[in-house]
Amino acid sequence: QQQVKQSPQSLIVQKGGISIINCAYENTAFDYFPWYQQFPGKGPALLIAIRPDVSEKKEGRFTISFNKSAKQFSLHIMDSQPGDSATYFCASWMDSSYKLIFGSGTRLLVRP
Amino acid sequence: NAGVTQTPKFRILKIGQSMTLQCTQDMNHNYMYWYRQDPGMGLKLIYYSVGAGITDKGEVPNGYNVSRSTTEDFPLRLELAAPSQTSVYFCAAQGKSTGELFFGEGSRLTVL
Repeated sequence: QQQVKQSPQSLIVQKGGISIINCAYENTAFDYFPWYQQFPGKGPALLIAIRPDVSEKKEGRFTISFNKSAKQFSLHIMDSQPGDSATYFCASWMDSSYKLIFGSGTRLLVRP
Repeated sequence: NAGVTQTPKFRILKIGQSMTLQCTQDMNHNYMYWYRQDPGMGLKLIYYSVGAGITDKGEVPNGYNVSRSTTEDFPLRLELAAPSQTSVYFCAAQGKSTGELFFGEGSRLTVL
């Protein structure tokens, strides 16, 4: 089974710090790499996504960095806030299909 | 505009019982997905559909069935409930042009 490997499993950051979550994929059907954010008791919601015609995309405090040759992409949260405390998932499309496969998730806790 | 609606929100089943989780979307999206999320774990794809009348297996399809008779509805059926199917189930719909998945609020199922 194709996998999407995400690390770390959990992350504790002080308010104002930088949170970094990494994702590695095997192959992909589509060049579109998203990060989803999930709060307890809620469904995941798209946070930010990148199409790798660029190596980096920034939206406010959130940045995706993409390394196509290494098949890796990462999420950087600058100036982390307690409200960012959530679980974050990366995802990739399985080779030659419309199956969107998620990583195992990273539980982020931002301490005040 | 409700997006993706799942029912029921909570359900307790006895081993061997059957039930259907309902999912409906009002966004006219062709692609729909069912995921399960075990406590503290990532999202596992059960089944997906690229349009009415077309369904395909995901990562963990055993013990489940789906149908897609309309664009709006994508029900998930459990035929013989087992304790291993205790989980939170998420339905999602995807717009082809953006690639973004819109998730429902989830259905929490417990099998005793």
